[in-house]
Amino acid sequence: EDQVTQSPEALRLQEGESSSLNCSYTVSGLRGLFWYRQDPGKGPEFLFTLYSAGEEKEKERLKATLTKKESFLHITAPKPEDSATYLCAVEYTGGFKTIFGAGTRLFVKA
Amino acid sequence: DTAVSQTPKYLVTQMGNDKSIKCEQNLGHDTMYWYKQDSKKFLKIMFSYNNKELIINETVPNRFSPKSPDKAHLNLHINSLELGDSAVYFCASSQDEDRPYNEQFFGPGTRLTVL
Repeated sequence: EDQVTQSPEALRLQEGESSSLNCSYTVSGLRGLFWYRQDPGKGPEFLFTLYSAGEEKEKERLKATLTKKESFLHITAPKPEDSATYLCAVEYTGGFKTIFGAGTRLFVKA
Repeated sequence: DTAVSQTPKYLVTQMGNDKSIKCEQNLGHDTMYWYKQDSKKFLKIMFSYNNKELIINETVPNRFSPKSPDKAHLNLHINSLELGDSAVYFCASSQDEDRPYNEQFFGPGTRLTVL
C-alpha cells in the first residue's frame, strides 16, 4: 500500500536544541518528495523539493535529505518561531499521485 | 498580493444544504487542486484540474463537484452536506502537473462546519 509516515507525531525542543524529523515512504515510482510548514489556521507553505536519493537542500536552520526509503528534516539550533507542523508529501507515478503524511508538530520553547 | 485566495474562510451550515467554496490564483499556474484536512490534520487530495482536464479521486463522494470557469479559478460545490464533511478545505495551485514536479501553493483554507 502506498503510504507516507512521519515521526515523531510531536516534538518539544528547547531553543538551540537541534533535532531531526523523519518521513518514511512506501510508494512505487517516486517523482518528488516535498516538505511543507503549516502554521495554525493557515495553509501549508512550501519549504523543499527533493527528487533523488542523496540529494540535500538547505534553508536557514533547516536541511532536508533524501534516501530511497525516507527523508529527514534536520533543524539546527531552532528558535521559537520555528514552531509549526511540518508536513511531508510524496508525488509518485502510481495511484492518485500525491500523498501527505500526518505531520510532525514541533514546539520550540525559549 | 494574495497568491491563492479562498472564500469564505468560515462556513457553518445545516445538514442537507448545498454550498460552494471559491478559489482563485493569480500566479498564472496551470494546475489547481482541492484538499480536505480532517480533524487529525491529514491532508487528502480530492481533485486536480489541469488545462480543462479534471482528475478525480475515486474515494471522493459524487456530492462533491469541482467547477473551473477558467484557468485561474477552481470552485468546489458540495451537495447534500453531511456531518462528516466538516473539515478544512484547502485550494492549491502549481506551475505544471508533470514537470518538474513543482511545489504547490496553498490558500488559507475554508473551515466548513456542518451542524
